Amino acid sequence: DGGITQSPKYLFRKEGQNVTLSCEQNLNHDAMYWYRQDPGQGLRLIYYSQIVNDFQKGDIAEGYSVSREKKESFPLTVTSAQKNPTAFYLCASDTSTGELFFGEGSRLTVL
Amino acid sequence: EDQVTQSPEALRLQEGESSSLNCSYTVSGLRGLFWYRQDPGKGPEFLFTLYSAGEEKEKERLKATLTKKESFLHITAPKPEDSATYLCAVHSNTGNQFYFGTGTSLTVIP
Repeated sequence: DGGITQSPKYLFRKEGQNVTLSCEQNLNHDAMYWYRQDPGQGLRLIYYSQIVNDFQKGDIAEGYSVSREKKESFPLTVTSAQKNPTAFYLCASDTSTGELFFGEGSRLTVL
Repeated sequence: EDQVTQSPEALRLQEGESSSLNCSYTVSGLRGLFWYRQDPGKGPEFLFTLYSAGEEKEKERLKATLTKKESFLHITAPKPEDSATYLCAVHSNTGNQFYFGTGTSLTVIP
């Protein structure tokens, strides 16, 4: 089945550590996105990529980094510079008509 | 400034009690308005896309409508399995951005 796979589902980080969240899609979509979801807030855009080897910062990119070396993959690294990383992270890709399709999410907790 | 506001924040309905969720938006240029369903601990699931005022889409007990300033998600005779958070998002012409509301948490009581 086509879809977006995020891993791991749950992740724990110690202070000062970098962690990487994986996102893979087999939908052949060009554009991919990373969102952060916190209770009581709408989804906030971290980074997006519309084509391989190109990506743009979203509204809350500080403390995060991404790469887009393959069309299918868009990993997100949460660096030690992100001061409040505990959140639910969602990866998405969009169709040619603009609908976003999401993965199942990764929950990151800082110990 | 582009933004999306959803109301109410939470809604409790008895099974079979129909109601509507509201999504008000301001956007410089609307490419599309989207409704999603999100279950706890899961990613949002796509429901509908609306592109222009007057458009309506239906799926089972759900019907989405669109005006120039807001969208409604009508739920007819809801069942407990309709309990979820419903998210509204707009896709702006400016910078290819999506703007999300904070969602309406729906609980349907048997």
